[in-house]
Amino acid sequence: NAGVTQTPKFQVLKTGQSMTLQCAQDMNHNSMYWYRQDPGMGLRLIYYSASEGTTDKGEVPNGYNVSRLNKREFSLRLESAAPSQTSVYFCASQASSYNSPLHFGNGTRLTVT
Amino acid sequence: EDQVTQSPEALRLQEGESSSLNCSYTVSGLRGLFWYRQDPGKGPEFLFTLYSAGEEKEKERLKATLTKKESFLHITAPKPEDSATYLCAVQASRSKLTFGKGITLSVRP
Repeated sequence: NAGVTQTPKFQVLKTGQSMTLQCAQDMNHNSMYWYRQDPGMGLRLIYYSASEGTTDKGEVPNGYNVSRLNKREFSLRLESAAPSQTSVYFCASQASSYNSPLHFGNGTRLTVT
Repeated sequence: EDQVTQSPEALRLQEGESSSLNCSYTVSGLRGLFWYRQDPGKGPEFLFTLYSAGEEKEKERLKATLTKKESFLHITAPKPEDSATYLCAVQASRSKLTFGKGITLSVRP
């Protein structure tokens, strides 16, 4: 049982390049989330998907897009990377009840130069 | 606006020295308060959910408690393997899970 799997683990981009962060969960959870974690800032929500076929903006959505490909997979795309997007990105999933705990992947460490 | 404040920012303990981590919160309608443990280079790992004031949960050396304004994570006789960052989060709705900045705990042998 892998839980939440994120790829890649590390990535270095130049300003203006694009990339997609992949996330898959095998717990049959309905909801999935993308967070970024920066020193001194805590975890901040970028986008979330309450169920397959729906996506909504979180606290810091600018510069990002998401796709809920199916119930298992939720990807995060940076169309034109900026140094301010240097961060650690975490994907999480959650069972149907929205006050049940989130289960996190181990993150993607992204550096934009 | 929902707010979560964790204190202290960092805590250094000797092995066996019990202590408590604090999470103070303001939220419009608490649906749940969560504690997570995060090891370096890893994602947060779920520890506890508390739903109402007076509730307590225990797991090994950890005990979480909840009042209407704050939650405590009590660590009894900690071991070096308890060293990690402990995150607190409050949920008011699906899109409003607000995290604190975390408390970095270091336990020396």
